[in-house]
Amino acid sequence: DADVTQTPRNRITKTGKRIMLECSQTKGHDRMYWYRQDPGLGLRLIYYSFDVKDINKGEISDGYSVSRQAQAKFSLSLESAIPNQTALYFCATSETLHHGYTFGSGTRLTVV
Amino acid sequence: SQELEQSPQSLIVQEGKNLTINCTSSKTLYGLYWYKQKYGEGLIFLMMLQKGGEEKSHEKITAKLDEKKQQSSLHITASQPSHAGIYLCGADFQGAQKLVFGQGTRLTINP
Repeated sequence: DADVTQTPRNRITKTGKRIMLECSQTKGHDRMYWYRQDPGLGLRLIYYSFDVKDINKGEISDGYSVSRQAQAKFSLSLESAIPNQTALYFCATSETLHHGYTFGSGTRLTVV
Repeated sequence: SQELEQSPQSLIVQEGKNLTINCTSSKTLYGLYWYKQKYGEGLIFLMMLQKGGEEKSHEKITAKLDEKKQQSSLHITASQPSHAGIYLCGADFQGAQKLVFGQGTRLTINP
C-alpha cells in the first residue's frame, strides 16, 4: 500500500455540487497538507494541519474546507464546486521538513 | 508563487546533453527542496539544501544553493529519457514548516 493514499483518483462533478477528497497516510506523520496544481502555476497551498487540533489556511483557502478526522486522515471539501476549481489536488505529509514531503498520487478533479 | 521563480518554464534537450534549471527566491531561504513529477503523477523528493554554498548529488542530478541562499540550480549530466518530467523547487521561508513552490520546469528529452 502507498504511504499516502488519495481517493478518488479522478472525479468529474457538476457546478454547485459538494465534493470531498480524502487523504490517508500510514507514515505516522503529524503534519498534513493540501495543495492544488494548475498548469504554469506550480503547487499552491490550500490548507495545512500540524496535528489533529491544528488547522491552518493556506494561500488559496477560499471555497474550500478541511477536516482532520485523525492523525492519519485529512479530507478536503468543496462546498459548492465551481469550474475554476478544476485542478490536480495533492495531499502531502511530513515528519519534519528536513526530509521533505511525501506526496500522494493526486486527485484529478473536473468541475463542469 | 512569485516568491519563487523557476527558469526556464520548459526545456527540450537532446538525449545525452547536460542541462540546468534555476530557482530564484525573492527572499532568504530557510530550506530549498527539489522535486520531480512525472506527468500527471505525484511528486518525488530529490534533495534538500539548507546551507549557503551547499551542493548535493543524486545519481546524475546535482543541486546547488548559492552563498546568499536566494538561488538554487539543478544540473543534469548526460540526460536520459528517464529524466523527463516536471521539476519543481519548493522553499521553506523562515522555518514556517510549509513549502511554497515555484511554477515548475517541464523537461523533455528527445532521443
